[in-house]
Amino acid sequence: SQQGEEDPQALSIQEGENATMNCSYKTSINNLQWYRQNSGRGLVHLILIRSNEREKHSGRLRVTLDTSKKSSSLLITASRAADTASYFCATDARTSYDKVIFGPGTSLSVIP
Amino acid sequence: DVKVTQSSRYLVKRTGEKVFLECVQDMDHENMFWYRQDPGLGLRLIYFSYDVKMKEKGDIPEGYSVSREKKERFSLILESASTNQTSMYLCASSLWQGSYSNQPQHFGDGTRLSIL
Repeated sequence: SQQGEEDPQALSIQEGENATMNCSYKTSINNLQWYRQNSGRGLVHLILIRSNEREKHSGRLRVTLDTSKKSSSLLITASRAADTASYFCATDARTSYDKVIFGPGTSLSVIP
Repeated sequence: DVKVTQSSRYLVKRTGEKVFLECVQDMDHENMFWYRQDPGLGLRLIYFSYDVKMKEKGDIPEGYSVSREKKERFSLILESASTNQTSMYLCASSLWQGSYSNQPQHFGDGTRLSIL
């Protein structure tokens, strides 16, 4: 079952522009994570944001979390060609299991 | 830096074969995970382990088994490979801090498995 889902499915921007990806989820969460995956490689963890946090920064990345709307956004500022990748949000499900569920991802292309 | 190493980047096997995928992590993480990734379906959890010799089924365990004899090593076994198991397989590890979801998962580079 899909807990988190990214939007848009695909995004194409020019180098230097900002890229915004959104993640919506269905049930209450404890934590939300964002990952990046370059083509043919494994996932790389970017940021973890807890349910009591509203915003986190890491370099050119900014993640916001709005628990009332059950949504999160990932902003990449001043994008570079090297940011071309798929981006996934991962949420937990507040069950005794509390496993992490990955969304289908947003494919970002940054054109030089 | 955490390193998660998967034994093969590419593997080609025949239907009916028993297939072993190996994963080793070097950071003494308690948790280890096996996922498969298919276009349009995202990552799906096959099995995970929270301790040596302990395992739990994920969302799609049918046709797979796992083994964790040592803390650093987690093996995925396809008992009798079938063509619908052609996929990208990703291994991950994470620390245990009271939850599976409050720590980042560290991934290997994946094994692209083709079953002919």
